[in-house]
Amino acid sequence: QSALTQPRSVSGSPGQSVTISCTGTSSDIGGYNYVSWYQQHPGKAPKLMIYDVTKRPSGVPDRFSGSKSGNTASLTISGLQAEDEADYYCCSYAGGYTFDVFGTGTKVTVL
Amino acid sequence: EVQLLESGGGLVQPGGSLRLSCADSRFTFSSYAMSWVRQAPGKGLEWISGISGSGGSTKYADSVKGRFTVSRDISKNTLYLQMSSLRAEDTAVYYCAKLGGWPAGAFDIWGQGTMVTVSS
Repeated sequence: QSALTQPRSVSGSPGQSVTISCTGTSSDIGGYNYVSWYQQHPGKAPKLMIYDVTKRPSGVPDRFSGSKSGNTASLTISGLQAEDEADYYCCSYAGGYTFDVFGTGTKVTVL
Repeated sequence: EVQLLESGGGLVQPGGSLRLSCADSRFTFSSYAMSWVRQAPGKGLEWISGISGSGGSTKYADSVKGRFTVSRDISKNTLYLQMSSLRAEDTAVYYCAKLGGWPAGAFDIWGQGTMVTVSS
């Protein structure tokens, strides 16, 4: 199972919106509504930001939103803030044999 | 709040073995499915293994199948990852993570990670 494809980096100024894409196949993203997104600051453990494509865990700001269309999922960060600068990974369930597959990761830079 | 703590990482020679542990004393461990996820230095996240809440169902990534074994001791609230026939490419930070569901669920709680270095 190949990793999901994400852009290497995206950037935006404070207050702007950025969107990170995550492209898979009909065997993972396209086949299930189990896409999640993780934020990881340098030297820290990942943190769940979005699950089941669009749901936000308690405590995650509503500036973070998720969506999916076909084999591509997206994470949008609205009203970008300095603390949003981090690496972001998508993840999708891929069925009973493969289980879970992560994306290649995207570095978000706040200009 | 659930808090996971990994231990057991270190330096091991190629071909060697190591057992990682992941514990939390503040929740009913048997109620939750768990996974191991690793991250090689400077690289992305890689799911490697999962186990159901009862321990009766396990899954592995192809990269570790036949070499790694996941298990849990409900009485000790501890998750394990037995690693054998270790290779240089197994060098990574290993995280345990609680799953929100089985077999499909997000990794909603993560440990701080433990570093495994495979080198002679």
